[in-house]
Amino acid sequence: GIQVEQSPPDLILQEGANSTLRCNFSDSVNNLQWFHQNPWGQLINLFYIPSGTKQNGRLSATTVATERYSLLYISSSQTTDSGVYFCAVIWGGSQGNLIFGKGTKLSVKP
Amino acid sequence: DADVTQTPRNRITKTGKRIMLECSQTKGHDRMYWYRQDPGLGLRLIYYSFDVKDINKGEISDGYSVSRQAQAKFSLSLESAIPNQTALYFCATSDLRGGGPLFFGEGSRLTVL
Repeated sequence: GIQVEQSPPDLILQEGANSTLRCNFSDSVNNLQWFHQNPWGQLINLFYIPSGTKQNGRLSATTVATERYSLLYISSSQTTDSGVYFCAVIWGGSQGNLIFGKGTKLSVKP
Repeated sequence: DADVTQTPRNRITKTGKRIMLECSQTKGHDRMYWYRQDPGLGLRLIYYSFDVKDINKGEISDGYSVSRQAQAKFSLSLESAIPNQTALYFCATSDLRGGGPLFFGEGSRLTVL
């Protein structure tokens, strides 16, 4: 099956710093989404981005499907950005279901 | 009110007991899912449903069953709970047969003693 690998697994930032999270996938995908799980466990959809670039406030994402990776950029990080960021993909073998990476745990220190 | 509601939010039970987790949604989506989250393993799909007559097994369906009572309701049952089913369970919905964004409920934390 497809492999979805996220890096780095853990990241500690000082408030105000910028960061880039990466998601690599081993096969062609039809769909890619980024999620944020806050420290209370809630999962929030950040981006639905099978290709191209999108921006939402301080967050932006870019997917280069032909090279099988996606990047999530966080600028001017805030303590509320802390949590785990998941990348998830749909590929031809997943019957339309999202396959999740194991996440990047981000801690933003004040 | 949340668009995707899960009950109970927390449950502690004993080995061998039957447990049901319920999910209801007001988004009008056809597709509903149950995922399980374990530390360090991300989210894994248990069951998914295209509509009330279409239910499919996911990656880790053994030990679980589901019921799609209506378009808006999808319940997950553990017929005889065991300790390694202790986890955080999420219900989710999507439109367009999974081709659109996925929306999660708030999660149900289950502990099996």
